[in-house]
Parts: sequence; C-alpha cells; structure tokens
Amino acid sequence: RKEVEQDPGPFNVPEGATVAFNCTYSNSASQSFFWYRQDCRKEPKLLMSVYSSGNEDGRFTAQLNRASQYISLLIRDSKLSDSATYLCVVYANTGGFKTIFGAGTRLFVKA
Amino acid sequence: NAGVTQTPKFQVLKTGQSMTLQCAQDMNHNSMYWYRQDPGMGLRLIYYSASEGTTDKGEVPNGYNVSRLNKREFSLRLESAAPSQTSVYFCASSEQVGELFFGEGSRLTVL
Repeated sequence: RKEVEQDPGPFNVPEGATVAFNCTYSNSASQSFFWYRQDCRKEPKLLMSVYSSGNEDGRFTAQLNRASQYISLLIRDSKLSDSATYLCVVYANTGGFKTIFGAGTRLFVKA
Repeated sequence: NAGVTQTPKFQVLKTGQSMTLQCAQDMNHNSMYWYRQDPGMGLRLIYYSASEGTTDKGEVPNGYNVSRLNKREFSLRLESAAPSQTSVYFCASSEQVGELFFGEGSRLTVL
C-alpha cells in the first residue's frame, strides 16, 4: 500500500463547478499536511498548508481528518486556470526526512 | 527572483555514461533535495541535505551520488546511467517543514 494515495482522476468539470479531492495517508504519526499544484510540464508549487481545524484560501478549502487519516481539497467556482495536477503531501518526523508526495489528481476545467 | 535554478534542463545520455545535475538556490535555505518524478509514481526522494555538510539517502538512492558543495549548491551525479533513470529530476530547497521550493526540472533520457 502506498503511504499517500490519491485518486489519479482525471476530473473533468465545467467552469463554475465545485470539485473535491481526497487523499489518504497510512502513517498515523504524520504531523503536517500540504497541497501542491503542478501545471503540465512544470514544477510543483505549494498551494496551501492543511491545518487541523481546516483552512480556507479564497476559493480553496482544505480539511484534515486525523481519525480517518485523510485530507481533502475543495475548489469552489472552478476557473479554467485551475486545470492542473494537485499533489497531496504528508510529513512525518519518524526518523529521517519523511515528506511523502502523492502521485497527484488531474483536474481539467472546461468552458 | 531566481529561487532554485537547475541545469541542464534537458539531457540525453547513452547507457553507461555519467553526468551531473547542478542545483543552486538563492533563498538561504538550509535544506535541499533531489526528487525524481515518473508517470503514476509521484515525486520520489533520491537524496536530501538537511544542512550544509550533511547528506542522507531518500527513498530511491541507488545509482546516484550527491554533493552539498556549500549552502547554495547541491549536485546530483549519475555515475553510470541506466534506462531506468530516464525521468524528470527536480531539485528543491526549504526552510520550513513541507514548504518546498522547486526548480523547473531536468528531463533526462537514457538510451
């Protein structure tokens, strides 16, 4: 089982739609959680951290469920420019560097 | 605003050839990383350097060596390239847990 698992998609949604991605992680000692965005043939870039109480940044909302070991990303009012791959990232300080990237979920937003 | 700079951006090698990927960051970050990204696999850590003078193996270190030349520079060397090392390589740096800044990537093909 992969340490961090994401639905690869692709998710195809119309502009203005709301879309949600989930990510599950296997290490219960995981401490920090993040969402990154990666455009086609570009480098990943930090989108937002995920806090225990959940957090929002404009149209983006991130949630953490420690009991079920998953995090989610909700995008409201999707824009064409949101088309990208969204990477779930989990950090656990269990001896050595332990930041694990999920394989990503592809999103296509269409006009 | 250079951030993280990697060279070369593209390289084609024959099996058995050697090469070095160079990476430099201008953000005064202590930690630097080398990842590879393959379709469906996500980003996998090859080596990392938590601070100048230290290096540690990541998830997939076999076939690679690294040098943390100074605080700015972290190079990745392939001593004898194999087709399985065909990939996109990303260098990254960070100062805070999980908040990585990536270079634009180096696309390597080994024939």
